[in-house]
Amino acid sequence: EMQLVQSGGGLVQPGGSLRLSCEASGLTFSTYEMNWVRQAPGKGLEWISYISSSGDNIHYVDSVKGRFTISRDNAKNSLFLQMNSLRVEDTAVYYCVRQYYGLLTGYYFDKWGPGTLVTVSS
Amino acid sequence: DIQMTQSPSSLSASVGDRVTITCRSSQPIKNYLNWYRQRPGKVPELLIYTISNLQIGVPSTFSGSGSGTDFTLTISSLQPEDFATYYCQQSYSSRITFGQGTRLDI
Repeated sequence: EMQLVQSGGGLVQPGGSLRLSCEASGLTFSTYEMNWVRQAPGKGLEWISYISSSGDNIHYVDSVKGRFTISRDNAKNSLFLQMNSLRVEDTAVYYCVRQYYGLLTGYYFDKWGPGTLVTVSS
Repeated sequence: DIQMTQSPSSLSASVGDRVTITCRSSQPIKNYLNWYRQRPGKVPELLIYTISNLQIGVPSTFSGSGSGTDFTLTISSLQPEDFATYYCQQSYSSRITFGQGTRLDI
């Protein structure tokens, strides 16, 4: 059974950095596109970043562009999110999410990690 | 970015009720519309993809419809586990966006 195990969350001061990790098992990780989605306390879901299966195509939401970097290591079945210049408004649960694509079914998020809490506070 | 607007933002209902949630996109998104459910304190889960296709394991009490910019999620008979928050999502654009959510309360 496919699992996504997340790590790296915690408390950080404004302006600080944090690196999130997501290790996949039970799937051929290198064939899947991946995303990070976050959810601020009591708020809705916000997609923040996408990476293609090979890592050569990347997208970000405007609010994190230039501060966050998504990457992956297919040899280690791992996805990463490097977060720099963190702001109070980046406080959220961050989910690692697998994206499925089918020619007739389009794109959707079919597997979610358990989430990891990032708190940005002084 | 494509804006997704759900209505209502919250809804009260009872077990056995039929409910409908609406999602409107700011521009046509073809059939790239998905629905998710998030139970309190839990991880979101995929319910419906590409407007009307039920994810494996999702009961047939759920259905989706729509086209262009207007889409609906219908639950034909509410079960206790359906009291949750529901999100629509467009995947037409590479910059994916979600609706703001519809909270379904007892």
